[in-house]
Amino acid sequence: EVQLLESGGGLVQPGGSLRLSCAASGFTFSSYAMSWVRQAPGKGLEWVSAISGSGGSTYYADSVKGRFTISRDNSKNTLYLQMNSLRAEDTAVYYCAKDYSSSSWFVGAFDIWGQGTMVTVSS
Amino acid sequence: NFMLTQPHSVSESPGKTVTISCTGSSGSIASNYVQWYQQRPGSAPTTVIYEDNQRPSGVPDRFSGSIDSSSNSASLTISGLKTEDEADYYCQSYDSSIYVVFGGGTKLTVL
Repeated sequence: EVQLLESGGGLVQPGGSLRLSCAASGFTFSSYAMSWVRQAPGKGLEWVSAISGSGGSTYYADSVKGRFTISRDNSKNTLYLQMNSLRAEDTAVYYCAKDYSSSSWFVGAFDIWGQGTMVTVSS
Repeated sequence: NFMLTQPHSVSESPGKTVTISCTGSSGSIASNYVQWYQQRPGSAPTTVIYEDNQRPSGVPDRFSGSIDSSSNSASLTISGLKTEDEADYYCQSYDSSIYVVFGGGTKLTVL
């Protein structure tokens, strides 16, 4: 069974840092691009960042560029999101999502989602 | 920037058919595939349509997707509505400058 399991969320003060992880299982992790998508309380979905299957290409939304870093460890089947200089507006549930295409290139369409991890930025 | 616009909410009775629209702001919505995601209250999104009209395994054929180039819009149609279909539905596509774009979401009420 294909599964994605996020972890690492929590309460952090403005200006602080947090590292999210997404453990993948049930598929050949390195063959698929992966993304982080967030959802602020009561709001819609917002794409945050993506990384190609090899990890050689990364993509960011303007709202997080320069503050967040996406990475992956294909030997551990794990996706990461390093979040620095956190702001109140970064408060959201963060989902990892798998591209449906096995090309390993980022196509920006998802077939599997994790259950999410909550990040709260507040003093 | 490219945007996708959805109605805020729709409602219909069990057993009926409902269509949710998703209109592109510029260019041709047919230029890139459209996906549709279902999100039940308190749950993560799940994919119900990908590549405009393809259903992942396990998604019933009551769900269908289409593209109308004349109105620059995509549609999700759910037939034989069930109470379990009550959820938020998001359309999504790709844009070369901002990469992934989601519609604002449509709340479907089945009453």
